[in-house]
Amino acid sequence: QSVLTQPPSVSGAPGQRVTISCTGSSSNIGAGYDVHWYQQLPGTAPKLLIYGNSNRPSGVPDRFSGSKSGTSASLAITGLQAEDEADYYCQSYDSSLTVVFGGGTKLTVL
Amino acid sequence: EVQLVESGGGLVQPGRSLRLSCTASGFTFGDYAMSWVRQAPGKGLEWVGFIRSKAYGGTTEYAASVKGRFTISRDDSKSIAYLQMNSLKTEDTAVYYCTREPWFDPWGQGTLVTVSS
Repeated sequence: QSVLTQPPSVSGAPGQRVTISCTGSSSNIGAGYDVHWYQQLPGTAPKLLIYGNSNRPSGVPDRFSGSKSGTSASLAITGLQAEDEADYYCQSYDSSLTVVFGGGTKLTVL
Repeated sequence: EVQLVESGGGLVQPGRSLRLSCTASGFTFGDYAMSWVRQAPGKGLEWVGFIRSKAYGGTTEYAASVKGRFTISRDDSKSIAYLQMNSLKTEDTAVYYCTREPWFDPWGQGTLVTVSS
């Protein structure tokens, strides 16, 4: 059971917008810790997608955006493309000085 | 180019030990905390532990699932982070990644550890 809760799967047609939620608690996201998002394409290592709740590393398309509010965070993907099909993970920190991940969300592009 | 390369994985029997290495290049290794993250076959990401930079004491934190069995260390002169894994269990079977803090970027390619008799 992951500390951060994500939906197991989401799907959307090309060009559509999808969102992935990440729900935590008052000891992690709600305590003010930043949320980061990672994309893992099949058979590859994870890649940083969003850092510090809403910042995109260079090279990440602006179709990807992140937000945080209270004890939750969200990743939004607009203009869905076939190459976006991957697993997505949120990550934060906990007041117990540990790192916490969401269980991951599999995005299917229909 | 900032790069991390893990090595040392393989097949090991339950109860035995294994040491993984993470060799860094392209940045000042000693300035950063380093984490280890693992992924069991078909499962999600699980944080294993991290080591702070010497500037922050070089101290370590671990996930409850590995505390007391795994030890993370670093050699800043060689730009290498280590993960010493003792008393290995079958449930430790996973691909092990090293990555750089404060957000995890970049990631290495991972090294597979299989614990089986």
